[in-house]
Amino acid sequence: GESVGLHLPTLSVQEGDNSIINCAYSNSASDYFIWYKQESGKGPQFIIDIRSNMDKRQGQRVTVLLNKTVKHLSLQIAATQPGDSAVYFCAESYNQGGKLIFGQGTELSVKP
Amino acid sequence: GAVVSQHPSRVICKSGTSVKIECRSLDFQATTMFWYRQFPKKSLMLMATSNEGSKATYEQGVEKDKFLINHASLTLSTLTVTSAHPEDSSFYICSARGKTSGRSSGTVETQYFGPGTRLLVL
Repeated sequence: GESVGLHLPTLSVQEGDNSIINCAYSNSASDYFIWYKQESGKGPQFIIDIRSNMDKRQGQRVTVLLNKTVKHLSLQIAATQPGDSAVYFCAESYNQGGKLIFGQGTELSVKP
Repeated sequence: GAVVSQHPSRVICKSGTSVKIECRSLDFQATTMFWYRQFPKKSLMLMATSNEGSKATYEQGVEKDKFLINHASLTLSTLTVTSAHPEDSSFYICSARGKTSGRSSGTVETQYFGPGTRLLVL
């Protein structure tokens, strides 16, 4: 079936550097995408979302880019901090906010 | 805005007993709530979708009689794991979707997650 996947299961960055976490999706009908951050033993925390009619959206230190041509989604974190260490999941949905389909997750490790 | 709570956060029970997990949206009305299960180092697996006042919709492979879901109000959904067995041990997470206060950066489509419940069946 169609699914959301991630290119890198683990990512290690130096504190202060920018991080880029990638996600590939296969359902061209998906119209809504979300990035979540999950720390160990906790529930996913909403970071940022984007609709399919946009290709870029910025938040506080984070930017989500959507490339519908190649079905690719990325999360950029500026000036990565130790507190950003977590597993990051992308998720997609379609049909005006139907159920979410989650990617496998990328573990981000920030080295001090 | 958009705070979701779960109770209990951790539960240990004997095999054969039933366990109830509560999910509450604290500052918004959740028209829809979702229940997920997550194994260590794995992604979230949707178990069921719960709409207030109607029966839950279960994903393929999820036993309805095993995982009872009740969505009694716009702020509360419960998941009951009946006759729990060790293989039911997992991290159960709920999410809620609805119109938030507007201070959150999501939309009415955004799912906000609870902190999860760690279930250990002995």
